[in-house]
Amino acid sequence: DADVTQTPRNRITKTGKRIMLECSQTKGHDRMYWYRQDPGLGLRLIYYSFDVKDINKGEISDGYSVSRQAQAKFSLSLESAIPNQTALYFCATSDKIPGQGLGELFFGEGSRLTVL
Amino acid sequence: GENVEQHPSTLSVQEGDSAVIKCTYSDSASNYFPWYKQELGKGPQLIIDIRSNVGEKKDQRIAVTLNKTAKHFSLHITETQPEDSAVYFCAASMHTGGFKTIFGAGTRLFVKA
Repeated sequence: DADVTQTPRNRITKTGKRIMLECSQTKGHDRMYWYRQDPGLGLRLIYYSFDVKDINKGEISDGYSVSRQAQAKFSLSLESAIPNQTALYFCATSDKIPGQGLGELFFGEGSRLTVL
Repeated sequence: GENVEQHPSTLSVQEGDSAVIKCTYSDSASNYFPWYKQELGKGPQLIIDIRSNVGEKKDQRIAVTLNKTAKHFSLHITETQPEDSAVYFCAASMHTGGFKTIFGAGTRLFVKA
């Protein structure tokens, strides 16, 4: 089984609908992230959380919200989806390495969202 | 804020040849530089990383070099194989002033058998 699991893997929806993408992890990491991937733009950070009570905006948080329900679960919501939110979304986790700051990101397999 | 530029966007090499991907970053506070490989239908996976106190790191056929003065770092793959075909992302991270990991736009590498 994958260490970082995303559901759904594919979703087609219509403009204005509310969408939730879910992420769960078995790595025991405190840090979780949501990224968006668009062709030619790399990966851009939407939100991140360093523990259950910590939520931080990333580069492109407008139009998105998140919930950290437990150490292992981090969900991303689009309250009213629009076509330019069509993208591949990745959840990731990382461990805290004392004295070394940021470390390796462990990604899920992605959730492809299409907004018509 | 930090900006990471990655070149080329597409790279095609013959099996057995070397491949080089280059990245530049803008923020001198960045101190961690990972490289990720993304295979089709999968999430990115770390293949090698380097911290700012090191100039070069090697792991079998892959190596990364870092020039802090010029603010650029490169990925070198030697003796390329068809299974090296993938999208490669460089990134620059810092852990001061909040969390920031900025990714390059990616390089699609094709290794022709």
